[in-house]
Amino acid sequence: GAVVSQHPSRVICKSGTSVKIECRSLDFQATTMFWYRQFPKKSLMLMATSNEGSKATYEQGVEKDKFLINHASLTLSTLTVTSAHPEDSSFYICSARDPHSGGARPGDTQYFGPGTRLTVL
Amino acid sequence: AQKITQTQPGMFVQEKEAVTLDCTYDTSDQSYGLFWYKQPSSGEMIFLIYQGSYDEQNATEGRYSLNFQKARKSANLVISASQLGDSAMYFCAMRERIYGQNFVFGPGTRLSVLP
Repeated sequence: GAVVSQHPSRVICKSGTSVKIECRSLDFQATTMFWYRQFPKKSLMLMATSNEGSKATYEQGVEKDKFLINHASLTLSTLTVTSAHPEDSSFYICSARDPHSGGARPGDTQYFGPGTRLTVL
Repeated sequence: AQKITQTQPGMFVQEKEAVTLDCTYDTSDQSYGLFWYKQPSSGEMIFLIYQGSYDEQNATEGRYSLNFQKARKSANLVISASQLGDSAMYFCAMRERIYGQNFVFGPGTRLSVLP
């Protein structure tokens, strides 16, 4: 099946620094990628939809100046947490949509990365 | 209003027995998809099974089956012959046609399989 990678898998940073998380689709071109945030023992909350070559669409309540998203190519989207604070500590998961997938298994046309655990001290 | 409801925050099942994880949803769209994902402690989201709103038959994938009752807006996951490796968080999710490709996830159910 299709593979989505995330880097880094785990990052610890000091308060006030910026952290960049990469999401890559390894064997398909993803016109759309999604960024989710998951707090401990909670569900995934969609933060933004990233479209290649255009501005990301942010969900209500998500600060676009805080969480910068860049989808510069069909295989890479980045999420930058700017001036990170301890409350930004969370598990961030991306997913990528393969526009050519579907058919017998349309359910897995959106492939999830393994996640990035961010801890801000 | 919550679009996906999973009323069981935690479930226990004995190894080799079957277990049903509940999921109800709310949508006014006629075309939608329902998904179940498994999230082990490692954090990765593993796709399990999909049911389309127009599918007349309940979806099955190996030991997983989806009990789809459209009129009741429920899409319960049935895991047969539970294994210790099934212990994980399970999320029900919905994708509505009118909202494109993004998913809405339920709060999840933590399943613990007992030896």
